[in-house]
Amino acid sequence: DAMVIQNPRYQVTQFGKPVTLSCSQTLNHNVMYWYQQKSSQAPKLLFHYYDKDFNNEADTPDNFQSRRPNTSFCFLDIRSPGLGDAAMYLCATSRDSGLILGSYNEQFFGPGTRLTVL
Amino acid sequence: KQEVTQIPAALSVPEGENLVLNCSFTDSAIYNLQWFRQDPGKGLTSLLLIQSSQREQTSGRLNASLDKSSGRSTLYIAASQPGDSATYLCAVPKGAGNMLTFGGGTRLMVKP
Repeated sequence: DAMVIQNPRYQVTQFGKPVTLSCSQTLNHNVMYWYQQKSSQAPKLLFHYYDKDFNNEADTPDNFQSRRPNTSFCFLDIRSPGLGDAAMYLCATSRDSGLILGSYNEQFFGPGTRLTVL
Repeated sequence: KQEVTQIPAALSVPEGENLVLNCSFTDSAIYNLQWFRQDPGKGLTSLLLIQSSQREQTSGRLNASLDKSSGRSTLYIAASQPGDSATYLCAVPKGAGNMLTFGGGTRLMVKP
Protein backbone atom coordinates (compact mmCIF):
# COMPACT_ATOMS: atom_id res chain seq x y z
CA ASP A 1 0.00 0.00 0.00
CA ALA A 2 1.13 3.52 -0.78
CA MET A 3 1.99 5.30 2.41
CA VAL A 4 4.03 7.76 4.42
CA ILE A 5 6.65 6.13 6.63
CA GLN A 6 8.50 7.73 9.51
CA ASN A 7 11.55 6.38 11.26
CA PRO A 8 12.18 5.93 14.04
CA ARG A 9 8.79 5.94 15.76
CA TYR A 10 10.44 6.89 19.05
CA GLN A 11 13.68 8.81 19.40
CA VAL A 12 15.51 9.71 22.58
CA THR A 13 18.33 12.20 22.46
CA GLN A 14 20.36 14.21 24.89
CA PHE A 15 20.17 17.94 25.36
CA GLY A 16 22.27 19.54 22.61
CA LYS A 17 22.99 16.31 20.72
CA PRO A 18 22.01 16.57 17.03
CA VAL A 19 19.26 14.28 15.87
CA THR A 20 17.78 13.41 12.47
CA LEU A 21 14.26 12.20 11.82
CA SER A 22 13.37 10.45 8.60
CA CYS A 23 10.30 10.43 6.38
CA SER A 24 9.72 8.47 3.19
CA GLN A 25 6.72 8.16 0.93
CA THR A 26 5.57 5.81 -1.79
CA LEU A 27 2.81 8.12 -2.98
CA ASN A 28 5.05 10.01 -5.41
CA HIS A 29 3.71 13.28 -4.06
CA ASN A 30 5.60 16.44 -4.92
CA VAL A 31 4.98 18.28 -1.66
CA MET A 32 6.31 17.16 1.72
CA TYR A 33 5.74 18.83 5.07
CA TRP A 34 7.10 18.67 8.60
CA TYR A 35 4.85 19.52 11.53
CA GLN A 36 5.64 19.74 15.22
CA GLN A 37 2.94 18.71 17.68
CA LYS A 38 3.42 19.27 21.38
CA SER A 39 1.31 17.53 23.95
CA SER A 40 -2.39 18.43 23.75
CA GLN A 41 -1.71 21.01 21.04
CA ALA A 42 -2.53 21.22 17.36
CA PRO A 43 0.17 20.39 14.80
CA LYS A 44 2.26 23.38 13.79
CA LEU A 45 3.92 23.58 10.39
CA LEU A 46 7.70 23.94 10.51
CA PHE A 47 8.48 23.94 6.77
CA HIS A 48 7.63 22.24 3.53
CA TYR A 49 9.20 21.28 0.23
CA TYR A 50 7.39 22.01 -2.99
CA ASP A 51 9.34 19.71 -5.29
CA LYS A 52 12.90 20.78 -4.50
CA ASP A 53 11.97 24.24 -3.28
CA PHE A 54 12.33 24.66 0.47
CA ASN A 55 9.82 26.89 2.26
CA ASN A 56 10.46 27.80 5.86
CA GLU A 57 7.76 29.14 8.16
CA ALA A 58 8.66 32.54 9.58
CA ASP A 59 8.63 31.43 13.20
CA THR A 60 10.50 28.14 12.76
CA PRO A 61 13.69 28.29 14.85
CA ASP A 62 17.04 28.12 13.05
CA ASN A 63 17.74 25.02 15.12
CA PHE A 64 15.47 23.11 12.73
CA GLN A 65 16.70 22.23 9.25
CA SER A 66 15.46 19.95 6.53
CA ARG A 67 16.79 18.05 3.54
CA ARG A 68 15.02 16.44 0.63
CA PRO A 69 17.53 14.44 -1.42
CA ASN A 70 14.87 13.03 -3.74
CA THR A 71 11.10 12.85 -4.19
CA SER A 72 10.67 9.98 -1.77
CA PHE A 73 12.70 11.09 1.21
CA CYS A 74 12.71 14.07 3.52
CA PHE A 75 14.74 14.57 6.70
CA LEU A 76 14.30 16.80 9.71
CA ASP A 77 17.52 17.78 11.43
CA ILE A 78 17.50 19.31 14.89
CA ARG A 79 20.97 20.72 15.39
CA SER A 80 20.94 21.27 19.14
CA PRO A 81 17.78 19.89 20.72
CA GLY A 82 16.48 21.62 23.78
CA LEU A 83 13.99 20.37 26.33
CA GLY A 84 11.33 22.46 24.60
CA ASP A 85 11.80 20.52 21.39
CA ALA A 86 10.36 17.36 22.88
CA ALA A 87 7.28 16.69 20.78
CA MET A 88 5.68 14.49 18.15
CA TYR A 89 7.06 15.27 14.70
CA LEU A 90 4.69 14.56 11.85
CA CYS A 91 5.56 14.24 8.19
CA ALA A 92 2.90 14.73 5.55
CA THR A 93 2.65 14.70 1.77
CA SER A 94 0.30 16.00 -0.87
CA ARG A 95 0.14 16.29 -4.63
CA ASP A 96 -0.18 19.76 -6.05
CA SER A 97 -0.31 20.27 -9.77
CA GLY A 98 0.12 24.02 -9.53
CA LEU A 99 -2.03 24.38 -12.61
CA ILE A 100 -5.08 25.71 -10.86
CA LEU A 101 -4.79 28.34 -8.15
CA GLY A 102 -5.79 26.75 -4.91
CA SER A 103 -5.76 23.26 -6.36
CA TYR A 104 -5.23 21.25 -3.31
CA ASN A 105 -5.30 17.59 -2.57
CA GLU A 106 -5.49 15.80 0.70
CA GLN A 107 -2.51 15.75 2.97
CA PHE A 108 -1.49 12.29 4.07
CA PHE A 109 0.32 11.95 7.35
CA GLY A 110 2.83 9.46 8.62
CA PRO A 111 2.54 7.86 12.08
CA GLY A 112 4.90 10.42 13.60
CA THR A 113 8.14 10.27 15.55
CA ARG A 114 7.96 11.02 19.24
CA LEU A 115 11.10 12.82 20.33
CA THR A 116 12.25 12.81 23.93
CA VAL A 117 15.07 15.12 25.02
CA LEU A 118 16.91 14.20 28.22
CA LYS B 1 -4.07 35.64 9.97
CA GLN B 2 -6.26 32.56 9.82
CA GLU B 3 -7.43 31.22 13.16
CA VAL B 4 -9.25 27.93 13.51
CA THR B 5 -11.31 27.09 16.59
CA GLN B 6 -12.96 23.84 17.58
CA ILE B 7 -15.74 23.53 20.09
CA PRO B 8 -16.11 21.63 22.31
CA ALA B 9 -12.55 20.81 23.33
CA ALA B 10 -13.73 17.53 24.82
CA LEU B 11 -16.88 15.49 24.53
CA SER B 12 -18.06 12.31 26.23
CA VAL B 13 -21.14 10.50 24.96
CA PRO B 14 -22.73 7.08 25.40
CA GLU B 15 -22.47 4.61 22.58
CA GLY B 16 -25.11 4.99 19.86
CA GLU B 17 -25.56 8.74 20.08
CA ASN B 18 -25.38 10.97 17.05
CA LEU B 19 -23.04 13.87 17.62
CA VAL B 20 -21.76 17.06 16.01
CA LEU B 21 -18.29 18.52 16.20
CA ASN B 22 -17.82 22.16 15.32
CA CYS B 23 -15.04 24.01 13.54
CA SER B 24 -14.89 27.73 12.85
CA PHE B 25 -12.36 29.80 10.92
CA THR B 26 -11.83 33.53 10.76
CA ASP B 27 -10.85 33.96 7.10
CA SER B 28 -13.63 32.65 4.87
CA ALA B 29 -11.48 32.81 1.73
CA ILE B 30 -10.51 29.17 1.92
CA TYR B 31 -10.17 26.66 -0.90
CA ASN B 32 -11.15 23.65 1.17
CA LEU B 33 -11.31 22.18 4.65
CA GLN B 34 -10.04 18.85 5.89
CA TRP B 35 -11.11 16.78 8.88
CA PHE B 36 -8.64 14.43 10.55
CA ARG B 37 -8.73 11.84 13.26
CA GLN B 38 -5.82 11.32 15.65
CA ASP B 39 -5.55 8.42 18.07
CA PRO B 40 -3.36 8.92 21.17
CA GLY B 41 0.32 8.92 20.29
CA LYS B 42 -0.40 8.36 16.60
CA GLY B 43 -0.31 10.34 13.38
CA LEU B 44 -3.27 11.92 11.64
CA THR B 45 -5.73 10.04 9.48
CA SER B 46 -7.58 12.04 6.87
CA LEU B 47 -11.34 11.58 7.18
CA LEU B 48 -12.93 14.02 4.75
CA LEU B 49 -11.86 16.82 2.45
CA ILE B 50 -14.44 19.40 1.38
CA GLN B 51 -13.63 21.69 -1.51
CA SER B 52 -14.87 25.27 -1.26
CA SER B 53 -17.40 24.61 -4.02
CA GLN B 54 -18.96 21.78 -2.05
CA ARG B 55 -21.44 21.99 0.79
CA GLU B 56 -20.82 18.58 2.27
CA GLN B 57 -19.00 15.29 2.03
CA THR B 58 -19.99 11.89 3.36
CA SER B 59 -17.99 8.82 4.23
CA GLY B 60 -19.80 6.00 5.98
CA ARG B 61 -21.16 7.28 9.28
CA LEU B 62 -19.38 10.60 8.86
CA ASN B 63 -20.81 13.70 7.24
CA ALA B 64 -18.96 16.98 7.03
CA SER B 65 -20.57 20.24 5.99
CA LEU B 66 -18.99 23.54 5.02
CA ASP B 67 -20.48 27.03 5.16
CA LYS B 68 -17.78 29.36 3.92
CA SER B 69 -19.77 32.54 4.34
CA SER B 70 -20.24 31.97 8.04
CA GLY B 71 -16.79 30.46 8.52
CA ARG B 72 -18.04 27.16 9.87
CA SER B 73 -17.81 23.45 9.32
CA THR B 74 -19.41 20.61 11.20
CA LEU B 75 -18.53 16.94 11.42
CA TYR B 76 -21.54 14.76 12.09
CA ILE B 77 -20.94 11.26 13.44
CA ALA B 78 -23.93 8.95 13.33
CA ALA B 79 -24.49 6.08 15.74
CA SER B 80 -21.24 6.62 17.61
CA GLN B 81 -19.14 3.63 18.66
CA PRO B 82 -16.37 3.21 21.25
CA GLY B 83 -13.95 2.85 18.35
CA ASP B 84 -14.73 6.44 17.37
CA SER B 85 -12.95 7.64 20.50
CA ALA B 86 -10.11 9.87 19.34
CA THR B 87 -9.22 13.51 18.81
CA TYR B 88 -10.80 15.10 15.75
CA LEU B 89 -9.01 17.98 14.08
CA CYS B 90 -10.14 20.33 11.35
CA ALA B 91 -7.67 22.22 9.18
CA VAL B 92 -7.72 24.80 6.41
CA PRO B 93 -4.99 25.74 3.96
CA LYS B 94 -3.11 28.94 4.55
CA GLY B 95 -3.71 31.24 1.63
CA ALA B 96 -3.44 29.63 -1.79
CA GLY B 97 -0.88 27.13 -0.67
CA ASN B 98 -1.16 23.73 0.87
CA MET B 99 0.09 24.61 4.33
CA LEU B 100 -2.52 23.75 6.92
CA THR B 101 -3.70 25.71 9.91
CA PHE B 102 -5.22 23.36 12.47
CA GLY B 103 -7.87 23.83 15.08
CA GLY B 104 -7.13 22.74 18.63
CA GLY B 105 -9.14 19.54 18.21
CA THR B 106 -12.09 17.93 19.93
CA ARG B 107 -11.24 14.98 22.14
CA LEU B 108 -14.11 12.50 21.83
CA MET B 109 -14.81 9.63 24.16
CA VAL B 110 -17.63 7.21 23.36
CA LYS B 111 -18.54 5.10 26.34
CA PRO B 112 -19.83 1.53 25.87
